[in-house]
Amino acid sequence: NAGVTQTPKFQVLKTGQSMTLQCAQDMNHNSMYWYRQDPGMGLRLIYYSASEGTTDKGEVPNGYNVSRLNKREFSLRLESAAPSQTSVYFCASSGETRDKTKYFGPGTRLTVL
Amino acid sequence: KQEVTQIPAALSVPEGENLVLNCSFTDSAIYNLQWFRQDPGKGLTSLLLIQSSQREQTSGRLNASLDKSSGRSTLYIAASQPGDSATYLCAVGGAGSYQLTFGKGTKLSVIP
Repeated sequence: NAGVTQTPKFQVLKTGQSMTLQCAQDMNHNSMYWYRQDPGMGLRLIYYSASEGTTDKGEVPNGYNVSRLNKREFSLRLESAAPSQTSVYFCASSGETRDKTKYFGPGTRLTVL
Repeated sequence: KQEVTQIPAALSVPEGENLVLNCSFTDSAIYNLQWFRQDPGKGLTSLLLIQSSQREQTSGRLNASLDKSSGRSTLYIAASQPGDSATYLCAVGGAGSYQLTFGKGTKLSVIP
């Protein structure tokens, strides 16, 4: 039981490049989330998926897109990376459709030059 | 808009001391409150979750309390150990939403 896994662990992009962050969970959770963590800002919700087939915007969705590929996988895409998207990205999942205990992945450290 | 504040931002204590971490929130209409631990360069580990109808939760040396009316939660750590050194984050789940609002954390250092 690996919990929540994220790939890659580290990534460096140039401004304007695109990439997709991958997240998978093996806990049969309905809900999945993408957060970003910035110094002095705390964690902020980018997008979430309450259940397979649905996605909704969080607090800071601009510049990102998401795909809930199936119940296990939830990906985050940066179409044209900007330096302001330099951050640590965390994926999380929870077992019911409301805010139950959230389980976080190890994070992806992204630097945009 | 919910705001979550954690004071102090950093705390250093000698090993063996009991300590309290504080969390306050501005909107008392919460669904639950969750305490996390984050080690440097790592993800978040859930420590305790308190539903809005509960007053406290305990796990081992940890005890979290919730006072919705005053907008406060505390995390009590008994007999602190160097391995407790980490950043502790408080997060509030809003009623009717999926979003957790996080505080900025308290960085705890337990000195041997």
